[in-house]
Amino acid sequence: AQSVSQHNHHVILSEAASLELGCNYSYGGTVNLFWYVQYPGQHLQLLLKYFSGDPLVKGIKGFEAEFIKSKFSFNLRKPSVQWSDTAEYFCAVSNNAGNMLTFGGGTRLMVKP
Amino acid sequence: GAGVSQSPSNKVTEKGKDVELRCDPISGHTALYWYRQSLGQGLEFLIYFQGNSAPDKSGLPSDRFSAERTGGSVSTLTIQRTQQEDSAVYLCASSSSWGRGTDTQYFGPGTRLTVL
Repeated sequence: AQSVSQHNHHVILSEAASLELGCNYSYGGTVNLFWYVQYPGQHLQLLLKYFSGDPLVKGIKGFEAEFIKSKFSFNLRKPSVQWSDTAEYFCAVSNNAGNMLTFGGGTRLMVKP
Repeated sequence: GAGVSQSPSNKVTEKGKDVELRCDPISGHTALYWYRQSLGQGLEFLIYFQGNSAPDKSGLPSDRFSAERTGGSVSTLTIQRTQQEDSAVYLCASSSSWGRGTDTQYFGPGTRLTVL
């Protein structure tokens, strides 16, 4: 079975600060990795995903994530956050043997203006 | 185009009653998923439909939960004899192609179920 851990449950930053949210997964085979975001009052939407190729992937709104296979990690980064990035962020994995997503517990990010 | 829609947006029911939650996937999407989001358990997979294949029910928490997908489109999640621990937001998602693990899943707004 696969599992996902997000170590930071709540993060508070000031605008223009840099962001890194941790995500670690456990699964012995090939995984596909996703970051989803849920803005207040809105539904989950995809930020970025990785399944092969360049381990540094760029997503929407200036977000990027790096897949480090040796560390089973897929951390999300943004160099300079904005107030509008206030949201809950979910890391998720799927594998090619099953199509469902396994989610981490989520990280609530609050950006202070 | 239209995204995934779900109805009702909110449902309050009494313990022991049955409820039905509806999901309309994005037109043309062959894969449909149900998840639930609760405070204690986070986001959990419930069931997955792919085309006309038998659904993957491995995430359903008990036999009180069932789902069907009619005509390869609309899906209904039914919870019988609801319990307070069923209170959660029930999310539906759909994806195109043939439900490969790399596909992006598009989520609906959810149905917030409260069992009194």
